[in-house]
Amino acid sequence: NAGVTQTPKFQVLKTGQSMTLQCAQDMNHEYMSWYRQDPGMGLRLIHYSVGAGITDQGEVPNGYNVSRSTTEDFPLRLLSAAPSQTSVYFCASSYRRNEKLFFGSGTQLSVL
Amino acid sequence: AQSVSQHNHHVILSEAASLELGCNYSYGGTVNLFWYVQYPGQHLQLLLKYFSGDPLVKGIKGFEAEFIKSKFSFNLRKPSVQWSDTAEYFCAVNTGGFKTIFGAGTRLFVKA
Repeated sequence: NAGVTQTPKFQVLKTGQSMTLQCAQDMNHEYMSWYRQDPGMGLRLIHYSVGAGITDQGEVPNGYNVSRSTTEDFPLRLLSAAPSQTSVYFCASSYRRNEKLFFGSGTQLSVL
Repeated sequence: AQSVSQHNHHVILSEAASLELGCNYSYGGTVNLFWYVQYPGQHLQLLLKYFSGDPLVKGIKGFEAEFIKSKFSFNLRKPSVQWSDTAEYFCAVNTGGFKTIFGAGTRLFVKA
């Protein structure tokens, strides 16, 4: 049982480049979410999904897109990376919306 | 908007000292409360949670937390810390919806 799997673990981008952070879970969880972690600011919710085909914005959605075509996968897209998006990104899932979250191991992203 | 405040950003303790990390939230209704821990190099994992019932909840590794509704608080405690408790601790609140909001985190360093 792999849990929540994120790829890549590290990524360096130049300003303006695009990329997709991958997230997959094998627990059949309906709820999935993306957070970014910045020093002194904790984890801030970017986007979340309550099931295949259903997504919504969190606290800091600007500059990020998501889609949920299957229960298992919830990719996060940066269309035009900016230095302000340098952060550590975590994907999380849960069985129900207010239950405990299972986290992936994170992606450390640097935008130069 | 709901928010979570963690009082201490950095805490340094010697082994065997007692620990109390403060957490306050701003929401007047029913809440689900969580403490997560992130050990160095690892992903976040659940330490303990409160949904209802006994306001004193016990988690893994000897941690406990007390929910005081009148003070909107959910402080984390441990009677005697160990070097292996060195980690970052996050308080989180879910108000029954789709968003779990995290505090800024407290970095705990335990001196051997």
